[in-house]
Amino acid sequence: RKEVEQDPGPFNVPEGATVAFNCTYSNSASQSFFWYRQDCRKEPKLLMSVYSSGNEDGRFTAQLNRASQYISLLIRDSKLSDSATYLCVVKGASGTYKYIFGTGTRLKVLA
Amino acid sequence: GAGVSQSPSNKVTEKGKDVELRCDPISGHTALYWYRQSLGQGLEFLIYFQGNSAPDKSGLPSDRFSAERTGGSVSTLTIQRTQQEDSAVYLCASRDKRGAHTDTQYFGPGTRLTVL
Repeated sequence: RKEVEQDPGPFNVPEGATVAFNCTYSNSASQSFFWYRQDCRKEPKLLMSVYSSGNEDGRFTAQLNRASQYISLLIRDSKLSDSATYLCVVKGASGTYKYIFGTGTRLKVLA
Repeated sequence: GAGVSQSPSNKVTEKGKDVELRCDPISGHTALYWYRQSLGQGLEFLIYFQGNSAPDKSGLPSDRFSAERTGGSVSTLTIQRTQQEDSAVYLCASRDKRGAHTDTQYFGPGTRLTVL
């Protein structure tokens, strides 16, 4: 089992749709969680950190479920510019420094 | 402010040649990571530098790979006797271990390496 697993997609959705991605992680001691966005042939960029209480940034909402060891990303009112690959990233227990990256979920928003 | 920079942006080399990739982290960031991303794959951890501590080289795939970080700033990743399977994008990231966003990594644009 991979340490961080994501559905590779692609998710093809029309503009304005709501889309959700899940990511599961295997290390129950993991402490920090992130969603990164990666455009084609570009570097990953932080989209948002994921907090225990859940957090929202505009059209994006991230949730963490420690009991089931998954995090989610919800995108509302999808825009064409949201088309990208979304990477789930997990960092281990406090004091560790390694980040484990999922292989990413590809999103394509269609006009 | 200036972000993480990497050079060259693209490198095409012949099998068996040595290559050197450079990373300039964000000023003041003490933590530096190298990753490799092959087509359609996730980021693969290669090496981690933190201040003056011994680096974690556990992710280097073979002894053909080495890296150093001079003066706690610029880092170079060297691949000797390149093989075709070394073709990938090599990404560098830095992190500031102080302040409010200590967990956030900032990535450079990467070096796309093609071994013919």
